[in-house]
Amino acid sequence: EIVLTQSPATLSLSPGESATLSCRASDSISNYLAWYQHKPGQAPRLLIYHASDRATGIPARFSGSGSGTDFTLTISALEPEDFAVYYCQQRSSWPPVFTFGPGTKVEIK
Amino acid sequence: QVQLVESGGGLVKPGGSLRLSCAASGFIFSDYYMGWIRQAPGRRLEWISYISSDGSTNHHADSVKGRFTISRDNAKNTLYLQVKSLRAEDTAVYYCAREYSTSFFDYWGHGTRVTVSS
Repeated sequence: EIVLTQSPATLSLSPGESATLSCRASDSISNYLAWYQHKPGQAPRLLIYHASDRATGIPARFSGSGSGTDFTLTISALEPEDFAVYYCQQRSSWPPVFTFGPGTKVEIK
Repeated sequence: QVQLVESGGGLVKPGGSLRLSCAASGFIFSDYYMGWIRQAPGRRLEWISYISSDGSTNHHADSVKGRFTISRDNAKNTLYLQVKSLRAEDTAVYYCAREYSTSFFDYWGHGTRVTVSS
């Protein structure tokens, strides 16, 4: 089973700064990786799929890159509403299992 | 707009059962695979189950296999999760989500909380 790890666990930044979040897979997953934003009490929100495609309605300040085992989510110029927990996620072809990383919390410095 | 609204959670004793529901609207429900994902307190998101658009195929995570069953009623635009033999470690917020491109989840509900405690 593929394991996802994320770093750092917490990122303390000020509004206007850029955030770089990392997700690493224990084996190659090509570009089958998604990023989600999750705020307390809210539904998780799909940001990026297929490693670099922005989901519908997602602002251009969110961008994803990477393939194989190493992936990055970049948030340029953090807005106040961007402070949240970010999860990466992949799906194994067989058995069909979806796995999530442990998350990176982006908090206000 | 796409809406997913979960219900059916609550406080249940160990060994008990519940049926969670997810009412879908704003899209053609019968065209999409659907899934359930949960988040226990202080833990990462954990995928539990998915079901094909016509309900003929489903898969469950090993952690719930044999205890949880996913199903759907396309006539009622509703997704279900029957949960039984509940354990303390099943305490979590349970989300339903629409699958996108067979690999991701593009819309999620706000979740329903299940607490297993005596």
